[in-house]
Amino acid sequence: AQKVTQAQTEISVVEKEDVTLDCVYETRDTTYYLFWYKQPPSGELVFLIRRNSFDEQNEISGRYSWNFQKSTSSFNFTITASQVVDSAVYFCALRSYNTDKLIFGTGTRLQVFP
Amino acid sequence: EAGVAQSPRYKIIEKRQSVAFWCNPISGHATLYWYQQILGQGPKLLIQFQNNGVVDDSQLPKDRFSAERLKGVDSTLKIQPAKLEDSAVYLCASSLGDRQGASPLHFGNGTRLTVT
Repeated sequence: AQKVTQAQTEISVVEKEDVTLDCVYETRDTTYYLFWYKQPPSGELVFLIRRNSFDEQNEISGRYSWNFQKSTSSFNFTITASQVVDSAVYFCALRSYNTDKLIFGTGTRLQVFP
Repeated sequence: EAGVAQSPRYKIIEKRQSVAFWCNPISGHATLYWYQQILGQGPKLLIQFQNNGVVDDSQLPKDRFSAERLKGVDSTLKIQPAKLEDSAVYLCASSLGDRQGASPLHFGNGTRLTVT
C-alpha cells in the first residue's frame, strides 16, 4: 500500500525564521515520484517540485530547498527566511510509476507572522 | 498558457438535491482528474480519465457520483442525490498523461460545495 504521512498539522513561525516541513512516504514500488504542492487561501494547488526515486540529489530554488533520503523514506521541504506570503497549506504527494495515481498527505498548515 | 478552468466557484444545495461541476483542462493535456478535498484533509482521487476513457474510479461512490469526459476534453462531475458528507472542495486537475507518471498535475481553483 502507498501512504504519505505529514506528521506536522500546523506550524507557526515569525518572519525570517527557517522552517522545515516533514514528509514520510511508504511504497513498495522501485520507481516513483514525489511532489510538493502549496495551497494558499485561494484554494488552488500550486506545483512546487517533483523528484523521481532515482535522483536523491537535493535541490534548492531560491528560498526553497528539498532533502530527499530514500534510506529514511523522507522528502522534507525547508523554507529559508520565511515570509508572510509563504503562509499556506503544504502537501507532499507520491505517485507510482505503476498505478499513476497521485496520493496526498494530510498537509501541513504554515503560518508566518510578521 | 491558460490554466485549468472550473465552474461554479461555489455551490450551496440541500441534501437529496443534485449538482454538477464542470472542468476544462489545459489544452493538450490527455489526463484529467477529479479530487475531493474535505476540510482539513488532503485531496482524495475520485476518478481519473485518460483522454475519454476511465483509468481509475475505484474511490468514486458510484451510487451517487458520476463523471464523464466527452470527446476527451471537458469533463462534468455529478452528484445525485447529495448527502451532507459530500460537503467539500472538488478539484479538477490535468496532466500531459505520460505513462511514466512524471508530469505534474495542474489544478483548478476548485468548486466549494456546501450541502445543508
